[in-house]
Amino acid sequence: NAGVMQNPRHLVRRRGQEARLRCSPMKGHSHVYWYRQLPEEGLKFMVYLQKENIIDESGMPKERFSAEFPKEGPSILRIQQVVRGDSAAYFCASSPFTGLNTEAFFGQGTRLTVV
Amino acid sequence: TQLLEQSPQFLSIQEGENLTVYCNSSSVFSSLQWYRQEPGEGPVLLVTVVTGGEVKKLKRLTFQFGDARKDSSLHITAAQPGDTGLYLCAQVSYSGAGSYQLTFGKGTKLSVIP
Repeated sequence: NAGVMQNPRHLVRRRGQEARLRCSPMKGHSHVYWYRQLPEEGLKFMVYLQKENIIDESGMPKERFSAEFPKEGPSILRIQQVVRGDSAAYFCASSPFTGLNTEAFFGQGTRLTVV
Repeated sequence: TQLLEQSPQFLSIQEGENLTVYCNSSSVFSSLQWYRQEPGEGPVLLVTVVTGGEVKKLKRLTFQFGDARKDSSLHITAAQPGDTGLYLCAQVSYSGAGSYQLTFGKGTKLSVIP
């Protein structure tokens, strides 16, 4: 049973370009979460999705960031017109259910560098 | 938003030593999780604690949840170089609209020197 798969592992973009980060959850998991980790900072929640629905996007910047989890295929985190401050590690996690005992399985992350 | 304070921020010890790291909050935790993150990897769940006073053991790791559920500790006995990593505590909380979130502390970066 493969774990959470994220790709690419490393992504370099010039300022103003678009970044697309992909996440395939574990088999049987319908809950997907995206987190951002800045250097010397903790993991910050961005968005929680279920198939075809955004449930909670309270951690997403209001502009340039969007996420989707289509019926078929991976979840996508999209960052338009990237700026240097977007450089960070972006982690996806999936879980089979949601609740106080939620066990989140994290992918290896995508490290975005904006030059 | 509940803030989680982890201490110490950095810890460097010799192989074989014991250590304890802490996670504290001004508010009550509904449930608390500990993760370990190795360089270049995602966090891996170690344990979930729910009940005040709860103690859980995972080989050389002992996790304790405070009676008032506002603090937790992780104790490692006879540390090994393989224990090196970033130890994160996370609060599981309900954020509304059917959404449970993990709120992480900044972590304790542990380095075990052979």
